[in-house]
Amino acid sequence: ETAVFQTPNYHVTQVGNEVSFNCKQTLGHDTMYWYKQDSKKLLKIMFSYNNKQLIVNETVPRRFSPQSSDKAHLNLRIKSVEPEDSAVYLCASSQDWGGSYEQYFGPGTRLTVL
Amino acid sequence: GDSVTQTEGLVTLTEGLPVMLNCTYQTIYSNPFLFWYVQHLNESPRLLLKSFTDNKRTEHQGFHATLHKSSSSFHLQKSSAQLSDSALYYCALSDTNAYKVIFGKGTHLHVLP
Repeated sequence: ETAVFQTPNYHVTQVGNEVSFNCKQTLGHDTMYWYKQDSKKLLKIMFSYNNKQLIVNETVPRRFSPQSSDKAHLNLRIKSVEPEDSAVYLCASSQDWGGSYEQYFGPGTRLTVL
Repeated sequence: GDSVTQTEGLVTLTEGLPVMLNCTYQTIYSNPFLFWYVQHLNESPRLLLKSFTDNKRTEHQGFHATLHKSSSSFHLQKSSAQLSDSALYYCALSDTNAYKVIFGKGTHLHVLP
């Protein structure tokens, strides 16, 4: 099956803990993204990678750090979570960078910070 | 900076009535791409349709939109709403040479029987 896969589906943690999310795409795409979708459903890009190189790094707190081992994998680590980090984190991929390409989204990881 | 405006947060209408969801944009891009993504409940967003050609109607799954660069608009329309159209609709903006896509705030469409 070709798609974008994310683990875990959801995660509940306490303030100050570290969390990691994983994303894998089997579509053969060169570009991958992390988006944050908050409780009001606002969808904001956080990071974008092309061929495992970081190309977009929006104004995101330093506790967020992405990692890409190859063009099919993109992970996100949050060092010390805060309540405002509660959201759905969506991973996406596209054939290449450049805004004309369709983005394919994974199912998301729902993070709840207590 | 670049931005996308979706004026309606919620649109509620009865099945069978026409749908129009508004989208306007501001950009410095010379060749903007406009998109509509749809997100059904408990699903992730997926592309509904996209366009970069001025004044050309684009259609998919019964929905259509026309990019009008003169008015910076890309409204989504459908002639007759169905219950299954109930979802969150995002208008989005990018450019051939852009590294990212900018999403509007989204419009919830709620179709009543």
